[in-house]
Amino acid sequence: GAVVSQHPSWVICKSGTSVKIECRSLDFQATTMFWYRQFPKQSLMLMATSNEGSKATYEQGVEKDKFLINHASLTLSTLTVTSAHPEDSSFYICSARGDRESVYEQYFGPGTRLTVT
Amino acid sequence: GQSLEQPSEVTAVEGAIVQINCTYQTSGFYGLSWYQQHDGGAPTFLSYNGLDGLEEKGRFSSFLSRSDSYGYLLLQELQMKDSASYFCAVRDPSNAGNMLTFGGGTRLMVKP
Repeated sequence: GAVVSQHPSWVICKSGTSVKIECRSLDFQATTMFWYRQFPKQSLMLMATSNEGSKATYEQGVEKDKFLINHASLTLSTLTVTSAHPEDSSFYICSARGDRESVYEQYFGPGTRLTVT
Repeated sequence: GQSLEQPSEVTAVEGAIVQINCTYQTSGFYGLSWYQQHDGGAPTFLSYNGLDGLEEKGRFSSFLSRSDSYGYLLLQELQMKDSASYFCAVRDPSNAGNMLTFGGGTRLMVKP
């Protein structure tokens, strides 16, 4: 099956610093990648949708200048949390879909737990 | 817009059968998906229903009634490892990227 990796799996950073999270599709070309945020015991909230080579589409309420998304290739998308604050602490999960996958099926990465101190 | 409702928690014993319901309100409908997520892990795809009826996959089955805007996930012969959160999801037809909108999730606790 399709495999999506994320790096790092967890990160602790100080308030005011920036953190970059990578999402890679390992055995397929991901034309579309999605970034989600999940608080404990809550659902996945979509932050943005990114298509390779074009600007990401952000959901309402998500600051695009704070959460920078780059989908530079068909196998890599990055999310950079800029000037992180404690309220940005969360579980960030990416998912990917290729052209051949059903539009109803997405492959999720293992997630990145961000703690901002 | 899309909204999906699921119970927040369900508890059952090993070997039992449990049904997790999902009702939805959508501006368009292209099928209902189910995902499983263990604590600290990534969601994994379980099933998809595009048409009315029951789809069976081993111990897990999923049902859809489009006229009732309702579906459910049925888990049989429950095992301890089935303790996880289960999310129903629909596709947003207004988004060219085919994004999914997830329900709030149902936390299933399986007890011995």
